[in-house]
This record gives sequence, structure tokens and C-alpha cells, in this order.
Amino acid sequence: GAVVSQHPSRVICKSGTSVKIECRSLDFQATTMFWYRQFPKQSLMLMATSNEGSKATYEQGVEKDKFLINHASLTLSTLTVTSAHPEDSSFYICSARAPGANTGELFFGEGSRLTVL
Amino acid sequence: AQKVTQAQTEISVVEKEDVTLDCVYETRDTTYYLFWYKQPPSGELVFLIRRNSFDEQNEISGRYSWNFQKSTSSFNFTITASQVVDSAVYFCALGSNTGKLIFGQGTTLQVKP
Repeated sequence: GAVVSQHPSRVICKSGTSVKIECRSLDFQATTMFWYRQFPKQSLMLMATSNEGSKATYEQGVEKDKFLINHASLTLSTLTVTSAHPEDSSFYICSARAPGANTGELFFGEGSRLTVL
Repeated sequence: AQKVTQAQTEISVVEKEDVTLDCVYETRDTTYYLFWYKQPPSGELVFLIRRNSFDEQNEISGRYSWNFQKSTSSFNFTITASQVVDSAVYFCALGSNTGKLIFGQGTTLQVKP
């Protein structure tokens, strides 16, 4: 089956630094990927829709300058948390939909746990 | 507005008991998709099932079964003869043709030996 991979799975950084998380579709091309954030013991909340070759679409309340999304190729989307602060500590997870796949068929990455000290 | 409600925050059962996790959704779309995911302590989301709005057939997969009732906007999940390995957080989610998912708050299931 289709596989989506995220890297790194865990990252610890100092406050003020920027962190990049990658989301790759390993065996299919994904024109659209989605980024979610999950705080401890909470649900997953959609942050943004990443569109290959164009700007990401952010959900209400998500700072686009804080969470930079780049979808430069059909197999890779990156989420950069800029000037990270402890409140950005969270579990970030991406999903992708293969083109031509049945609508609603989605594949999730393994998630990336960010801890900001 | 789209919304998913999982009213049960935590459920604790003893192994071999049956358990049903409730999910109620709201949407104005005529075409939509319902999902159940399992999230073990390691964090990854494990896909369990996807249902589209035109398919109200109930489904059984091993010890898992799902009851989709459009009349009550519910998509409940039953685990029969629960096992300790079933302990996890279970999320119900609602999706549209855009691919975006709206997740419920999750139900933490603890199965005790």
C-alpha cells in the first residue's frame, strides 16, 4: 500500500531556533498534502493544506509566517516551525492523497514529535 | 459547519468484554467520508476503516465492526472480545472531497487483563 514517511520522528530544539519536518510520499505522487498538529491528550487539528507548486492554504488561526510550508515536488512537503517556542511543542503529522485514488483515500505519516526547550 | 463528537472520553473494560465507541457527526455535504483511526502510545495513526456517505452497509472485520446510521448521523465502532492490545486512543473523523479531515476528540480505551 501507499506509504507516507515523516522525518525526523522526534526532535528537540532550543527556543528561538527553527525546525524543519519533512513529509514524503514514498511510492506515489501527491499533489496535495495536509499538516495536522496534536497537542498532548488532544485531538488532531488541521493546520494547512500543502499544494504542489503553489502556496499553502492555512486554516483559521494558524500563523503562516510561523509555520512555513513548502511543497516543491510531488513527493515532498516540508513544514518549518520558525523561531520555535515551548508552546509549539506538539506532535505534527502529515497526510497525503494519491492522485487518481478513490476520493477520501488518505495516507498518514508516522508523525514528528517536537519538543522545544 | 462540520463537526465530529466522540462523547466518551475514556472507557475502561476488562479483557474479553465487548465495547462500543460512539461517534456522531455533523455535515451539510451530501458526499462525505467517515473514518476510524487507532492511535497507540507510539503516536502513529493506524487506519481502521473508511466509509462513504452512500454506503450504509455495516462492516465486520475480525473482532471489529462498524454501524453506520445516516438517520442518526452516527458511525459507531464495536470491538468484540476486547484484548489488552486494543488499548489505545481511537479517533473518528469526517472527510470531504477536499481530503481534509475533521477529527473527533478521541476516546481512550483501556483494556485491563
